Amino acid sequence: AQSVSQHNHHVILSEAASLELGCNYSYGGTVNLFWYVQYPGQHLQLLLKYFSGDPLVKGIKGFEAEFIKSKFSFNLRKPSVQWSDTAEYFCAVIPAGAGSYQLTFGKGTKLSVIP
Amino acid sequence: KAGVTQTPRYLIKTRGQQVTLSCSPISGHRSVSWYQQTPGQGLQFLFEYFSETQRNKGNFPGRFSGRQFSNSRSEMNVSTLELGDSALYLCASSLGTSDVYEQYFGPGTRLTVT
Repeated sequence: AQSVSQHNHHVILSEAASLELGCNYSYGGTVNLFWYVQYPGQHLQLLLKYFSGDPLVKGIKGFEAEFIKSKFSFNLRKPSVQWSDTAEYFCAVIPAGAGSYQLTFGKGTKLSVIP
Repeated sequence: KAGVTQTPRYLIKTRGQQVTLSCSPISGHRSVSWYQQTPGQGLQFLFEYFSETQRNKGNFPGRFSGRQFSNSRSEMNVSTLELGDSALYLCASSLGTSDVYEQYFGPGTRLTVT
């Protein structure tokens, strides 16, 4: 079975600082990868996804993530955070084309951006 | 296109009771998944339905069950409620094909068991 590890439980940054949230997964085969965001009081929204092709994927609101297959990693980045990025971020993985329909999430990283 | 809707949004139940939660997926989506979200455990997969068939089940006791109707709407039932069942229950819908499995989440049902 697959698993996902998010290294940081809570990250605190000042506005305009750069962001990198770590995500590592455990699975021996091909995977589809996702980052979801949950703003305070709102539901989970898809931030970006990787299915195949270019390992550097761009999502909404200036976020991007890089898939490094050799490191089983899918880290989320943003060059300059804003106060409105305060939210909880979840990395998720699902085996690709393997007949598994179970999305496995990491425990989440809470991001607080100080104005 | 309307998003995933869940009803009710909030529920308060007492131990030993049972509860039924409802989820209406995005139009055209045939897959519905259910998750339990708690501060300690994060998001945990309950089960997934596609065309009225359960395709995957997570590691939850048999008190947790679900079903899907022909219009893709889904219900989740929890019997003999325990205090530890207090959580946010999320429903997500998808087209359901394994090569592009992108899920869209509803706002959740907040269940409190007293």
